[in-house]
Amino acid sequence: QGQVVQSGAEVKKPGSSVKVSCKTSGDIFRNNYFSWVRQAPGQGLEWVGRITPIVGTTTYAQKFQGRLTISADESTNTVYLDLSSLRSEDTAVYYCASDSNYGVFVYWGQGTLVTVSS
Amino acid sequence: QSALTQPRSVSGSPGQSVTISCTGTSSDVGHYDYVSWYQQRPGRVPKLIIFDVTKRPSGVPDRFSGSKSANTASLTISGLQAEDEADYYCCSYAGSNIPVFGGGTKLTVL
Repeated sequence: QGQVVQSGAEVKKPGSSVKVSCKTSGDIFRNNYFSWVRQAPGQGLEWVGRITPIVGTTTYAQKFQGRLTISADESTNTVYLDLSSLRSEDTAVYYCASDSNYGVFVYWGQGTLVTVSS
Repeated sequence: QSALTQPRSVSGSPGQSVTISCTGTSSDVGHYDYVSWYQQRPGRVPKLIIFDVTKRPSGVPDRFSGSKSANTASLTISGLQAEDEADYYCCSYAGSNIPVFGGGTKLTVL
């Protein structure tokens, strides 16, 4: 518990951008990939993308290509999700999770609710 | 990548066993021995309960077990308890650093 801590809830207008942060300990930051997983209200889990924090290599789910940026700051052990051109369908809880590879998500953040509404 | 297919719901009585299936394709479940399962209780964060098809993280009871045959993975919960009532999600590696989730299964303990 508390190994991964995310920023607070956001309310955004359609067409705008949101940036969500995810802070962890140095050991977890250095020894894992980090993925973002989202869950729309009443729906299932959806993998969004991931980063290798130390080298900055990213992989994104195809549906987010072009409007998603995942980044990391080694000086603060923080990973970021930046999603642009927001639409109502992006309303969801966004989870940050340590990713030991191959879809094994061990440490999860508490989730950040992003609401897109006019 | 398409989502893996899970039953929408399953149910069982305390003490019984239930099995949740997760069907993919020869490009994901059938190709890699990298299937994981997550338990999500209402209002809570998902929790890893099975990884690499059959392995349990420390602290997960041995009532939870995983298996795989061809393109279908399965999670079996034996000795059902009231606290097992939750949503369960499978996840498979699909190559190129991309995992894919199942749609989720709601387990009701009667």
